[in-house]
Amino acid sequence: AQSVTQPDIHITVSEGASLELRCNYSYGATPYLFWYVQSPGQGLQLLLKYFSGDTLVQGIKGFEAEFKRSQSSFNLRKPSVHWSDAAEYFCAVARGNAGNMLTFGGGTRLMVKP
Amino acid sequence: GAVVSQHPSWVICKSGTSVKIECRSLDFQATTMFWYRQFPKQSLMLMATSNEGSKATYEQGVEKDKFLINHASLTLSTLTVTSAHPEDSSFYICSAQDRDQETQYFGPGTRLLVL
Repeated sequence: AQSVTQPDIHITVSEGASLELRCNYSYGATPYLFWYVQSPGQGLQLLLKYFSGDTLVQGIKGFEAEFKRSQSSFNLRKPSVHWSDAAEYFCAVARGNAGNMLTFGGGTRLMVKP
Repeated sequence: GAVVSQHPSWVICKSGTSVKIECRSLDFQATTMFWYRQFPKQSLMLMATSNEGSKATYEQGVEKDKFLINHASLTLSTLTVTSAHPEDSSFYICSAQDRDQETQYFGPGTRLLVL
């Protein structure tokens, strides 16, 4: 069965600092991987996704993620964090068709210090 | 961008009553919708996959008679929590998948509190 692990429950960074959120997955086939952000009162918003091709994926809001098959990882990065990036971030893997039946990681809550 | 709405955004009900939650795709047609449950400070757990015009597919451990799902049109799916109990209190989130079958768009969620 597929699973997703986000080792960091909470992360605090200073505004302007770089950010990396870790995600490890377990899946028998080629994974379809996603990063979502959840802000209070809003639905989950897709930041980026990886299906195939270039292992470095660019997303919205200046985020990027790199798929590393050898490490079963799909870490999310941003070179300079803004205060508005404070939110809960979820990594997910899809089983079935590309966008179907998501299994989510436990989430990482990002706090940004001024 | 694609927008998914949920109604109500929050609901409080007495134990033993049933509660219906609506999920609508506002500007696109969704042949598939998903229902998730999120406990406080925890991740989303997929409850069921809802396909328009057919029966929903429930994940293991989810009681289909407890959580009734109807997907009557390409823009509307409903989740009915029947005979709700306090342990059903949670945050219920739906998502709708667009026709390219690659992206799910999530609703803002419905917070259910059963007294």
